[in-house]
This record gives sequence, structure tokens and C-alpha cells, in this order.
Amino acid sequence: GAVVSQHPSRVICKSGTSVKIECRSLDFQATTMFWYRQFPKQSLMLMATSNEGSKATYEQGVEKDKFLINHASLTLSTLTVTSAHPEDSSFYICSASDLFGPGTRLTVL
Amino acid sequence: AQSVTQPDIHITVSEGASLELRCNYSYGATPYLFWYVQSPGQGLQLLLKYFSGDTLVQGIKGFEAEFKRSQSSFNLRKPSVHWSDAAEYFCAVGSTYTGRRALTFGSGTRLQVQP
Repeated sequence: GAVVSQHPSRVICKSGTSVKIECRSLDFQATTMFWYRQFPKQSLMLMATSNEGSKATYEQGVEKDKFLINHASLTLSTLTVTSAHPEDSSFYICSASDLFGPGTRLTVL
Repeated sequence: AQSVTQPDIHITVSEGASLELRCNYSYGATPYLFWYVQSPGQGLQLLLKYFSGDTLVQGIKGFEAEFKRSQSSFNLRKPSVHWSDAAEYFCAVGSTYTGRRALTFGSGTRLQVQP
């Protein structure tokens, strides 16, 4: 059945490095995917809308140069956290349609 | 702008007892409503959703929710809670079911189940 997958599930990196997170729709195509961020014990906050074949739309306060989104195909969107810093440590979740991925725990040392 | 309120931050029930989690929404048109469950460190699992039709919606794991337009509510219920139901529950509202608009989430309700 239709599922959204994310990879990796967990990543630890050094401050200043870049991290790429993949979000895939399995068994269905998604022209639009969404990226959320979730801090501990908090709700999900929309970061950006990923559109296949066009630029992503970012929510107010989200730095588009820091959180690069690429939606290269109908089943894949990637989020790259550039020059990561400890304050970027969080749980990142993608979604397509009403399905959510399992999330990626990013820890920046 | 659409918004979702989950008035209860934390609820504790005994195993076998009934459960109701409250959700109120604010939306100008016909809302598309969702309930998700999240276990620690995991993604969100869709429990049920309402788009139109019968206002009582059945979901997975024995959950149901009732859409009440007059009260702007979409409360989640379960007649008998199991210990494995302990998790965080999120109510969400969307403006379309086509998946082209993001969902707006409530702040969540953490459910604890006592033996």
C-alpha cells in the first residue's frame, strides 16, 4: 500500500557540515510534499512545501538558503540542511497527501 | 486562517476505560479533519479522517471520531483503552483532500494509560 519513507532515520553530524534527508512516496506519486519540524514535546510546524518541477515554498521565518529543498521526481523530495548548527537539531518529518514519513532525528554536535 | 485547538495537554486513563480526546477547529469553509497518533521517536500514523458524508468516522485500532459542525469539533473516542494506546495524539485540519495544501496541527494530547 501507499507509504511515505524517509532516510536516514537518524543522523549525527558536526557543526558546519551539510546533511541531506530523503523523502519518498512508495506506490503513489506526489507532486507536492511537505516538510515539517518538530521540537521535543511540541507539535509539528510546517517548514516548506515541496513542488515537483518548481521551487519550494517556504513558511515565514524559515531560511530557504539554509534548508534547501529539491523535488526532482514525483516520488522523491530531499531536504538539505546546509552548514548545520546545534540549533538545527530537531526531528524532521515529511508528508505526501495525508501520509507521513517516520521522521529523521538530526543531532548537530 | 485555519487553526486547531486540543484543550487537553495530558490525559491519564485506566486500561479498559473509555477515552475521549477533544479537538476544536477554526476554518471558514468545509474542513478536512484528521487524527494522527505518534509514539516516541516515531512518525505520525493516520488513525482516521473526515472529508464529507457520515459524521461518525471509524478508524484503525478501534478509534472513532465524530464531526460536529455546530460545535466546530472533531473529538476522538475509543470505548476501551489498551496499554499500547499510550502515545501522543494530534488533531489536524486541511483545506483540501488533494494533498496540495499542508495540514495545520493542534498542540497534541499526551495519553497515559494506567494498568
